[in-house]
Amino acid sequence: GDSVTQMEGPVTLSEEAFLTINCTYTATGYPSLFWYVQYPGEGLQLLLKATKADDKGSNKGFEATYRKETTSFHLEKGSVQVSDSAVYFCALGVHRDAGNMLTFGGGTRLMVKP
Amino acid sequence: KAGVTQTPRYLIKTRGQQVTLSCSPISGHRSVSWYQQTPGQGLQFLFEYFSETQRNKGNFPGRFSGRQFSNSRSEMNVSTLELGDSALYLCASSLLPGLAGETQYFGPGTRLLVL
Repeated sequence: GDSVTQMEGPVTLSEEAFLTINCTYTATGYPSLFWYVQYPGEGLQLLLKATKADDKGSNKGFEATYRKETTSFHLEKGSVQVSDSAVYFCALGVHRDAGNMLTFGGGTRLMVKP
Repeated sequence: KAGVTQTPRYLIKTRGQQVTLSCSPISGHRSVSWYQQTPGQGLQFLFEYFSETQRNKGNFPGRFSGRQFSNSRSEMNVSTLELGDSALYLCASSLLPGLAGETQYFGPGTRLLVL
């Protein structure tokens, strides 16, 4: 079945540090890949997505490239801010006639210190 | 454009009771999915509705059920509550189901505590 594995947290960084959160996946078919972010007490917000191999999703300084050869979709940001502190979820969605279902990784908590 | 709304935001119930949660999708969105989020199991898919029909169901017992109305609003019901049902229940809406790359937009969730 489909699965997503992300690095365990928490990840603690100083402001302006470089961020990488690893995400690898297993899927049948051709998945779309997503990164969602969850701030304390809130639901999930879409951060970025990529729908096919070699696509790069980007938003708010975050980037991730869909690597089919390594089945990965690592999240990166060049310079993190305190406001980026949140839990980040990698997810995949496979287009199937049966419908639209997301499979999530376990989440990675990011803490950014001033 | 208003986002996905969920009511109530917080709920406390006791074991054996039942509960109904409500979700209103983004205007124009016709597909609604439900997810359960717990510290132990993470985010797990419950079910998806489109055109008032359940299209997909996750691996949850029959105590978990849902429905969708003609205006795309959805409800989920949990009967005979157990302590393990304590979780954040998230609703997500999308324009149509099953399209490659279709984005699901999430509501703030309903936090259910079962005592």
